[in-house]
Amino acid sequence: QVQLQESGPGLVKPSGTLSLTCAVSGASISSSNWWIWIRQPPGKGLEWIGEIYYNGITNYNSSLKSRVTISLDKSKNQFSLKLSSVTAADTAVYYCATLRAPATNYFDFWGQGTLVTVSS
Amino acid sequence: SYVLTQPPSVSVAPGQTARISCGGDNVGSKNVHWYQQKPGQAPAVVIYYDGDRPSGIPERFSGSNSGHTATLTISRVEAGDEADYYCQVWDGNSGHRVFGGGTKLIVL
Repeated sequence: QVQLQESGPGLVKPSGTLSLTCAVSGASISSSNWWIWIRQPPGKGLEWIGEIYYNGITNYNSSLKSRVTISLDKSKNQFSLKLSSVTAADTAVYYCATLRAPATNYFDFWGQGTLVTVSS
Repeated sequence: SYVLTQPPSVSVAPGQTARISCGGDNVGSKNVHWYQQKPGQAPAVVIYYDGDRPSGIPERFSGSNSGHTATLTISRVEAGDEADYYCQVWDGNSGHRVFGGGTKLIVL
C-alpha cells in the first residue's frame, strides 16, 4: 500500500515561496508513475497543481505554470513543490497524490493534506 | 481549458436515490472518475472509469457517462454518505487533470 505524507511550513509570507515535500513509502518514485500535487482553498473545491513523471518530465496547470516547480529527490524517495510569489489566494490545504499505475488517470493514493496559510 | 460543471448541492432523504451530475463538452468521450470527501479528510475515489468501483465501495454507488453528462448515482442513501463529491477527468487536449467544482450531498 502506497503511503504519502506532506510536510513543510504552515505559514508563508506574501510574495514568498511556498515549499512542500511529499515523503513516499510503499513505492519507489523511481518506478514508472506520476507524482502529483493538488490543493484545496478553505471551503472550496479541488485544483490540480501539477505533476512529475518518474523520469523528470513535468506537467503543470496553465494557471500556475509560471510560479510552480515540482521536483524529485530519488535519494530520499520524496518529491517537492515550490510555488513562488504567493498571495492570500494560495492559502489552501495541499495534497500530494499518485496513481495506481501511470495510465490509470485517477488518484488512488493521497496524503492527509497540509494547510498552508499565506499571511504576514 | 476543459470545464466540468456540477451542481453545488443535492438533497435527498435517507433510503432514496441521489444523482449527482457532471457536465462537460462531450464528456462521454472521456473517462470520468468520482471522489468522495468527508470533512477533514482527503478525497477518496468511489467510482473510476465511468462506472467501476474500487474494492470496499458499496454496490449502492454507480456511475454512468454519455454525451455531455456523467452521473454518480447513490442508491438507498445513508446518513454516512453525506459528503462532498467531485468528478474528474484527464483532458487529452491540454494534458491537464480537471476537477468539477464539487457537489455537497445533503442527507435530510
